[in-house]
Amino acid sequence: QKEVEQNSGPLSVPEGAIASLNCTYSDRGSQSFFWYRQYSGKSPELIMSIYSNGDKEDGRFTAQLNKASQYVSLLIRDSQPSDSATYLCAASGYTGGFKTIFGAGTRLFVKA
Amino acid sequence: DGGITQSPKYLFRKEGQNVTLSCEQNLNHDAMYWYRQDPGQGLRLIYYSQIVNDFQKGDIAEGYSVSREKKESFPLTVTSAQKNPTAFYLCASSPAQGAQEQYFGPGTRLTVT
Repeated sequence: QKEVEQNSGPLSVPEGAIASLNCTYSDRGSQSFFWYRQYSGKSPELIMSIYSNGDKEDGRFTAQLNKASQYVSLLIRDSQPSDSATYLCAASGYTGGFKTIFGAGTRLFVKA
Repeated sequence: DGGITQSPKYLFRKEGQNVTLSCEQNLNHDAMYWYRQDPGQGLRLIYYSQIVNDFQKGDIAEGYSVSREKKESFPLTVTSAQKNPTAFYLCASSPAQGAQEQYFGPGTRLTVT
């Protein structure tokens, strides 16, 4: 059973701090990795995608991928109360057909 | 304005009734997906379609049916055979089937009593 594991949280950080969200995946065939932000009662919104080992930065967000360790992370710099949401990690790859597996999400709370 | 629309936002039904959830996209995406989200759980794939007139079962297809007669539309029917249909239903699309990012509609919250 292919899985994507995330700590459910909540992760609580003060405003202005760096929030670090982590994710591990079980399928070594996974090729693409995504982070989604989901506000309570809303649908997931894609915020980052990463396809190769290393770091990818977009504004206050940095995604990190380590395929050898099967580990993906998302760093949010200068965290704002508006970043408070659930962050879903997803891994996509081809094993008998392309499939994207979503983690259950980590709840982030940024304290003002 | 390109995007994915789902209707209705909230839906209430009595047990034993079939109900159809709408999903439309104008992004010209080939692939479309239906997920179900329950509290504290990840998204679970119900059905997906890579091309018009073709679709495949996902991990939890029992009690659901779909059609893909047009590229833009991928409606989901929740039948009375679905044992626990109350959930948040999310439709998504991607440019093509593959390891690509998916974009989600606003969701339909279905309550069956």
